[in-house]
Amino acid sequence: EAGVTQSPTHLIKTRGQQATLRCSPISGHTSVYWYQQALGLGLQFLLWYDEGEERNRGNFPPRFSGRQFPNYSSELNVNALELEDSALYLCASSLASNMGTDTQYFGPGTRLTVL
Amino acid sequence: KNQVEQSPQSLIILEGKNCTLQCNYTVSPFSNLRWYKQDTGRGPVSLTIMTFSENTKSNGRYTATLDADTKQSSLHITASQLSDSASYICVATASGGSYIPTFGRGTSLIVHP
Repeated sequence: EAGVTQSPTHLIKTRGQQATLRCSPISGHTSVYWYQQALGLGLQFLLWYDEGEERNRGNFPPRFSGRQFPNYSSELNVNALELEDSALYLCASSLASNMGTDTQYFGPGTRLTVL
Repeated sequence: KNQVEQSPQSLIILEGKNCTLQCNYTVSPFSNLRWYKQDTGRGPVSLTIMTFSENTKSNGRYTATLDADTKQSSLHITASQLSDSASYICVATASGGSYIPTFGRGTSLIVHP
């Protein structure tokens, strides 16, 4: 069974541009989570989608947004990129939306570099 | 403010030895605590999940404990292997109607032959 996949693996953008990151969950999983892991910092929760709806978001500005498609894949958009947005962006999926108590399976991440 | 503190920041042990990693959290209202293993350049892998009513959970050579009164958790690794070299991340999740995780910065474990 295929795991969580993310694309692209690496993304290089310049300040002010927009970035779009994509995630495909494990088949049968309806919840998708996005996290940011900046160098030297811990993981930070960005967004949680379930059944196409945004369930919760972390402490990030509105220029971080996303959506979940009918096939449960998800997209993270980052507008007006800033240098400090450079990080590894991780996507995870879980079987159900049991208030975050389900096991989450992570993808390999997308490394975003903002120049 | 929700916080998770992990110690030590890094740890070097010899193959075959045991070790214990610590996690202190201040998350309210508390829902669950997870331990993840993250190899360099890869996404985290779930090791254990414990709710407030559980005080121990095992996954092979990994055993996590939880003391909800003192808000402390530990991850014990038995008979370490070279493949255990990784970052171990503690995550405390608050409840209150939604999913609010707080991540520790991790403990970097290096296992030497």
